[in-house]
Amino acid sequence: EVQLVQSEAEVKKPGESLKISCLGSGFSFSSYWIGWVRQMSGKGLECLGMIYVSDSSTIYSPSFQGQVTISVDRSTAYLQWNSLKASDTAIYYCVKSRGNAETDTFEIWGQGTMVTVSS
Amino acid sequence: QSALTQPASVSGSPGQSITISCTGTSSDIGGYNYVSWFQQHPGKAPQLMIYDVIHRPSGISNRFSGSKSGNTASLTISGLQAEDEADYFCSSYTSTRIVVFGGGTKLTVL
Repeated sequence: EVQLVQSEAEVKKPGESLKISCLGSGFSFSSYWIGWVRQMSGKGLECLGMIYVSDSSTIYSPSFQGQVTISVDRSTAYLQWNSLKASDTAIYYCVKSRGNAETDTFEIWGQGTMVTVSS
Repeated sequence: QSALTQPASVSGSPGQSITISCTGTSSDIGGYNYVSWFQQHPGKAPQLMIYDVIHRPSGISNRFSGSKSGNTASLTISGLQAEDEADYFCSSYTSTRIVVFGGGTKLTVL
């Protein structure tokens, strides 16, 4: 079964760093794009960026460039913050592309990781 | 990149058909045939329902169909069922190489 399994929920304080993960299984991880999508409480979806696993090339949304770092190691993708803000509180989903083109849609979604940033 | 525009809510009775619109610009929907639709039930991750404007992934009911005209894409659900009640999001590839989503539409089955 093709699936993405994400790390557990996190509670952090403003200014702290965080790295959440997304483990892929059931498919050739290196042949696809892995993206990260944010959903703030009761709100819509926003794509932070994505990475092509085979060569680690990344594309970031202008809104999130410099705010987060997307990386990959073997069959696990990561989303990292160096200094969290309260406004980073949201559910973060990792997603797998349908094919190997950057235009391919997000076919498979992880279960989501809830990140809460509060003093 | 601004979010795509969707109606906040739509409703229909079982058996009826409904259509959800998604309006963008020539830099996203109008410029590419890379529109997708996702269904999200409360507390669950989104699920792909339509991709590349008109295509259904394996296992998705043919009651779901997509179309596009100019800068507006549409999702039509025919033969509404109670299980279709959910939030629906559209998305499009954009000229900035990033996917942009719509704000979401809550479908209520009366």
